[in-house]
Amino acid sequence: LAKTTQPISMDSYEGQEVNITCSHNNIATNDYITWYQQFPSQGPRFIIQGYKTKVTNEVASLFIPADRKSSTLSLPRVSLSDTAVYYCLVGDMGGADGLTFGKGTHLIIQP
Amino acid sequence: DSGVTQTPKHLITATGQRVTLRCSPRSGDLSVYWYQQSLDQGLQFLIQYYNGEERAKGNILERFSAQQFPDLHSELNLSSLELGDSALYFCASSDSRDGNTIYFGEGSWLTVV
Repeated sequence: LAKTTQPISMDSYEGQEVNITCSHNNIATNDYITWYQQFPSQGPRFIIQGYKTKVTNEVASLFIPADRKSSTLSLPRVSLSDTAVYYCLVGDMGGADGLTFGKGTHLIIQP
Repeated sequence: DSGVTQTPKHLITATGQRVTLRCSPRSGDLSVYWYQQSLDQGLQFLIQYYNGEERAKGNILERFSAQQFPDLHSELNLSSLELGDSALYFCASSDSRDGNTIYFGEGSWLTVV
């Protein structure tokens, strides 16, 4: 079971770049890394997924070092609406491991 | 809008009762997942069905059961309800058997009194 460790909370300001790091020391060869965003009383929303190196989409970037024991979600120029809980999931493309959410990181963006 | 539909949105019931939560996945999605989210336990994976068959099991209590029907909708049955079962229950779906890119519904709020 590739457990993950994330900071419980982070603060930043509008317009800043925010980087949230997730540690997953026991990641297995077949495991992917997926990040979700959740607003209060809403279901989590997929942000980005990667296996190695760097992945970028219209909302975020995901940086994965060569050893894959950690990953960093990068949110460029955050706004107040980015205040949410961010979850890092690690697992293979099936089974309960890859579907298990940890505590997540509560990101608070201030004006 | 994720395309995943859950009913009811809110439900209040008494301890000892039984309720059924319903989920319609995104069009074409074969996998359905159920999650429970409470204030003290976070987001807990309960169970996954793929094309009508159980695919993965998480922290689902024996008092809870689920199934996926031929039309791919799913139901989560919660029985002998306890106060601690009060939570937000999410359904999610994906288009693959093995994928952790899943799309969540808006949830069903269950309050047990």
